Amino acid sequence: DIVMTQSPDSLAVSLGERATINCKSSQSLLSSSNNQNFLAWFQQKPGQPPKPLIYWASTRESGVPDRFSGSGSGTDFTLSISTLQAEDVAIYYCQQYYSVPITFGQGTRLEIK
Amino acid sequence: EVQLVESGGGLVQPGGSLRLSCAASGFSFSSVWMAWVRQAPGKGLEWVANIKGDGNEKYYIDSLKGRFTISRDNAKSSLYLEMSGLRVDDTAVYYCAKGFGTDRWGQGTLVTVSS
Repeated sequence: DIVMTQSPDSLAVSLGERATINCKSSQSLLSSSNNQNFLAWFQQKPGQPPKPLIYWASTRESGVPDRFSGSGSGTDFTLSISTLQAEDVAIYYCQQYYSVPITFGQGTRLEIK
Repeated sequence: EVQLVESGGGLVQPGGSLRLSCAASGFSFSSVWMAWVRQAPGKGLEWVANIKGDGNEKYYIDSLKGRFTISRDNAKSSLYLEMSGLRVDDTAVYYCAKGFGTDRWGQGTLVTVSS
């Protein structure tokens, strides 16, 4: 199974500042067939289902603000929020969909400093 | 608009069974992979199983050890999860999700296993 490890477990950032969450996979998520990384990011607020933010490691879902961006390739990935807004307080998860079982990182809790 | 509506959750005793359903709309259901993902109270996300559009491929998390069965009825645009031999640690919100990469999620249905 591919193990997904996020860092940090929790993060406190001031409003308007940049937040960065890291995700590392135990094996490469880069497919030679389409040259894409099978990595997604989700945002979950209390009492709500996870909301997809990013797929193919760097493609934003429709309607996701452009302050959210994804980067990385192979085994190391990053979710960045350029200017933190109050509504971005949530838990963020990375997910690999390269192979089954599909696996998630343990989550990173983002709070306002 | 994609909609996924789960139902069938509730309180069940250890060792009992339950069948979850997910009604899908707003997309070509028979063309896409579908999945179940669960989240225990206060915990992270755990993928449970997925099934190909035609129903001919199914994958499960190893820890289920055959207790759960995923299925679909494309004529009804519905996804199912049959759960048996339920344990206390199966208590979770169960989400239905669209796509191999789970790009759309339902609101979830709570399954509580307790005596």
